Amino acid sequence: EVQLLESGGGLVQPGGSLRLSCAVSGLPFSTYALSWVRQAPGKGLEWVSSISGGAESTNYADSVKGRFTISRSNSKYSLYLQMNNLRVEDTAVYHCAATPRPNIDTDVVFDYWGQGTLVTVSS
Amino acid sequence: EIVMTQSPATLSVSPGERTTLSCRASQTISDKLAWYQQRPGQAPSLLIYDASTRATGVPARFSGSWSATEFTLTINSLQSEDFALYFCQQYYKGPPWTLGQGTKVEI
Repeated sequence: EVQLLESGGGLVQPGGSLRLSCAVSGLPFSTYALSWVRQAPGKGLEWVSSISGGAESTNYADSVKGRFTISRSNSKYSLYLQMNNLRVEDTAVYHCAATPRPNIDTDVVFDYWGQGTLVTVSS
Repeated sequence: EIVMTQSPATLSVSPGERTTLSCRASQTISDKLAWYQQRPGQAPSLLIYDASTRATGVPARFSGSWSATEFTLTINSLQSEDFALYFCQQYYKGPPWTLGQGTKVEI
């Protein structure tokens, strides 16, 4: 059974930092691209960032570029999102999601999702 | 950036009925469209990819179709577990991989 389990969310002040983690099990980890997708309260889903299976490629939404960094550890079956200089508008549930191909330049479909971790940015 | 527009925002349906959800792309995306279902308090799950191919384990009452930039998700004989949020996503051109704002199917 495939499982994605996010952690690391919480309450942070504007300008603060958080590091999210996603523990993955049940799939051939390094052959899957991984992504973060967020959902603001009462809003739709917004793609945030993706990383290729071998971690050689990454991309980001314009809204987070320069502030967020995605990374992965293929030895620990884990995905990470370092979030710096957080803004109120970053408040959302952050889901990790897995794509059954290692590259991220095309056909990024999210076959598996985690339940998400809530990040609240507020003073 | 390709914009995905879903309609309506909310659908009120009775169990056993058939319903259709719409998703429009701002430019051509071929058949590179996925549909996801999100039940309350749960993670999203993949329903349909390549516009009309059901994901593994998805019941046959779910079907997808498309014409040009218009995409439709049809749910036949709605079951109680089908009352949920539904999102479409294009993967023709990106990043960004853009999703619609969602349609809520309610009783």
